[in-house]
Amino acid sequence: QKEVEQDPGPLSVPEGAIVSLNCTYSNSAFQYFMWYRQYSRKGPELLMYTYSSGNKEDGRFTAQVDKSSKYISLFIRDSQPSDSATYLCAMSIGTGTASKLTFGTGTRLQVTL
Amino acid sequence: NAGVTQTPKFQVLKTGQSMTLQCAQDMNHNSMYWYRQDPGMGLRLIYYSASEGTTDKGEVPNGYNVSRLNKREFSLRLESAAPSQTSVYFCAIFGALTEAFFGQGTRLTVV
Repeated sequence: QKEVEQDPGPLSVPEGAIVSLNCTYSNSAFQYFMWYRQYSRKGPELLMYTYSSGNKEDGRFTAQVDKSSKYISLFIRDSQPSDSATYLCAMSIGTGTASKLTFGTGTRLQVTL
Repeated sequence: NAGVTQTPKFQVLKTGQSMTLQCAQDMNHNSMYWYRQDPGMGLRLIYYSASEGTTDKGEVPNGYNVSRLNKREFSLRLESAAPSQTSVYFCAIFGALTEAFFGQGTRLTVV
């Protein structure tokens, strides 16, 4: 069993829809949670970062962490075609080094007109 | 400000050939990382360098070597390429977990 599980999709939604992207994890020691966005044939870019449990909002994006369920989510409101990309979750026990960062496999999102 | 620059962008190798992937950064970060990305496997760490003069193995180091040439440059070498090394390779720099920058990737095919 992988430490971090993520549905690969693809997830196809119409423009304007609310999108929910999710990851589950098995290591209860994870405390730092990140979401990356990766456009086709590009490198990942950091989108959201949260520590421990709770919500964090940035514009149309909301990251949610439920440590009791070992479940994290990224919500995208009013989705746009420009949101079409692969979204990777990542998590870490500490902040000391990125060498301990564990990535999900990514969910491909397609927002259609 | 280019951030993280990788060369080449594409490469086709025959089994047994060698090659070096280059990575350069202009952000003055100490730590540099090499990942490979494969379908269904996500990003996996090959090697990293926490600072100039140091390198350490990641999750999948077999078949690879690295050199931290100076603070700006971190290269990844395949001494004898194998089809299993067909992948997309990314170089990344991290200031902190919240300060992450990836290069555009090198698409490598080994036939």
